[in-house]
Amino acid sequence: EAQVTQNPRYLITVTGKKLTVTCSQNMNHEYMSWYRQDPGLGLRQIYYSMNVEVTDKGDVPEGYKVSRKEKRNFPLILESPSPNQTSLYFCASSPSPDGGNTIYFGEGSWLTVV
Amino acid sequence: AQTVTQSQPEMSVQEAETVTLSCTYDTSESDYYLFWYKQPPSRQMILVIRQEAYKQQNATENRFSVNFQKAAKSFSLKISDSQLGDAAMYFCAYSVDSNYQLIWGAGTKLIIKP
Repeated sequence: EAQVTQNPRYLITVTGKKLTVTCSQNMNHEYMSWYRQDPGLGLRQIYYSMNVEVTDKGDVPEGYKVSRKEKRNFPLILESPSPNQTSLYFCASSPSPDGGNTIYFGEGSWLTVV
Repeated sequence: AQTVTQSQPEMSVQEAETVTLSCTYDTSESDYYLFWYKQPPSRQMILVIRQEAYKQQNATENRFSVNFQKAAKSFSLKISDSQLGDAAMYFCAYSVDSNYQLIWGAGTKLIIKP
């Protein structure tokens, strides 16, 4: 079954404590991205990756890091989380950066920073 | 700048009736893609329908259809024979072929009245 898996699904953490949200896809997709969803704002892209070792900033990259060492994995790293990073996070993947392909989303990760 | 606007924060419809959700966008591109996504309470993002801008024919998926007006930059979603399971947030999104970044609207909450 085609799947994008995120972990953890729910997390409460404290300000400044480094955390990583993992994302893995089993479809051999080249393109992966991270979004955050906040009320009234829709989804905003944080980072995206066109392939292994190729990543770039989206609209709201401040406070986040990513890596793409393997094709299937695209972790999101918060080095020093702050309360304004409390949000719902989605990882997504698609076959290639060719507009119009179906995008597969993970189930979302709720992150609360206190 | 490319933007997507959903002017209806919330819509309600009686079960079995038809409802139309509005979406307008702003772009200077001629080739692009438009999407409607459904986000039920589970928070997973589900692709409902996709439209290629170069196609004049409106996309249809079972009870879901779109009214794509390229000159007016309008992309509304019509849901026929509404069912209780259609209750969700609906997001309109746009992507340009060249870089595949999705631009999202703020969403419309659809309520189905039994």
